[in-house]
Amino acid sequence: AQSVTQPDIHITVSEGASLELRCNYSYGATPYLFWYVQSPGQGLQLLLKYFSGDTLVQGIKGFEAEFKRSQSSFNLRKPSVHWSDAAEYFCAVGVMDSNYQLIWGAGTKLIIKP
Amino acid sequence: DVKVTQSSRYLVKRTGEKVFLECVQDMDHENMFWYRQDPGLGLRLIYFSYDVKMKEKGDIPEGYSVSREKKERFSLILESASTNQTSMYLCASSLTPAGGEQYFGPGTRLTVT
Repeated sequence: AQSVTQPDIHITVSEGASLELRCNYSYGATPYLFWYVQSPGQGLQLLLKYFSGDTLVQGIKGFEAEFKRSQSSFNLRKPSVHWSDAAEYFCAVGVMDSNYQLIWGAGTKLIIKP
Repeated sequence: DVKVTQSSRYLVKRTGEKVFLECVQDMDHENMFWYRQDPGLGLRLIYFSYDVKMKEKGDIPEGYSVSREKKERFSLILESASTNQTSMYLCASSLTPAGGEQYFGPGTRLTVT
């Protein structure tokens, strides 16, 4: 069965430091890949997506993610985090044989140290 | 911009009550979804709809039903609320099916006492 793993439940990063959030998926083909962010008390907002083409995708708020087929990964990165980046981040995978569902990771909560 | 609105941000209901959560989207999307979100479990799909009057069960449909009488509106119904349905409920819509970007509402925090 398809699955998405975000191995880090919480990550703490100092403001100004770089960030990498991990996402691994289990699926036989190349899926569609998404990162969403949920700020406290808010719904989810799309940060970026990968469908095909260049494996390094740029998103909003200075985020980027790289698709690595050999590792079945789609890790999210930001070179320098800001206090406003404190939120929960969700990786999701869209697969055509999943009856219209996105498969979601459990989320990673990002905490920013001043 | 796509806008997805949910009828309530916070709701408190008693055990056994019938609860209606409403979701409206303004972008003529075919597909609409109801999720519940619990800490450490991510988003779990309750039901989705790919057209008016069409619905499909998601991963956790037990205790819930849905209604889609108009394209823009998708309602989640808790027939007899129970304390284990205390959760955050998120509605989403998308133009395309699997693989398409989903647009989310702000969520409804439901507490069942």
